[in-house]
Amino acid sequence: DTAVSQTPKYLVTQMGNDKSIKCEQNLGHDTMYWYKQDSKKFLKIMFSYNNKELIINETVPNRFSPKSPDKAHLNLHINSLELGDSAVYFCASSQDGLGSNTEAFFGQGTRLTVV
Amino acid sequence: GIQVEQSPPDLILQEGANSTLRCNFSDSVNNLQWFHQNPWGQLINLFYIPSGTKQNGRLSATTVATERYSLLYISSSQTTDSGVYFCAVDNQGGKLIFGQGTELSVKP
Repeated sequence: DTAVSQTPKYLVTQMGNDKSIKCEQNLGHDTMYWYKQDSKKFLKIMFSYNNKELIINETVPNRFSPKSPDKAHLNLHINSLELGDSAVYFCASSQDGLGSNTEAFFGQGTRLTVV
Repeated sequence: GIQVEQSPPDLILQEGANSTLRCNFSDSVNNLQWFHQNPWGQLINLFYIPSGTKQNGRLSATTVATERYSLLYISSSQTTDSGVYFCAVDNQGGKLIFGQGTELSVKP
């Protein structure tokens, strides 16, 4: 029973296209995140949501738009994809990202390749 | 912002050997986690350890918060331990700041 699941696992698409990655957590957590891992394996936060409210937007281009329909889901939509968007995108969740219990659990990642 | 440095960047071990990975951070933290990214890319939680010592099988971790470092011990290493080990911290910013990782290769 997967705790944080994201789909798809692999995504290959052409420049200029629009794509979405979906994430769901069944841990009952209040906070969800998107992280990006670049080709050098460096991981950096993009967004966080707490109870459907945007908390962190880490200077990500506005082509990236997160959407949280409820606290168990956080989707990432990317418009006008560029070659530089190729990376692995990880969804994560924690019980209370703003409080004392911030242990984060990660999904399996989505490897996005823009050609 | 807070800086996280891991050492060594790369490590090659013979199966059965022990190793210690280090994570230094530049400010006080309320969260510190160790992750293992396996060769399939999954990020696996190893320890949630903002302070103190924990053990889980062949792995253990110690965080000395007052001196701003954490250590991950791997004993009797196995080939399945190969991958990248990340340390990540949060200092009440509501986000994890990752180190650059230690890439471990365990040879049979």
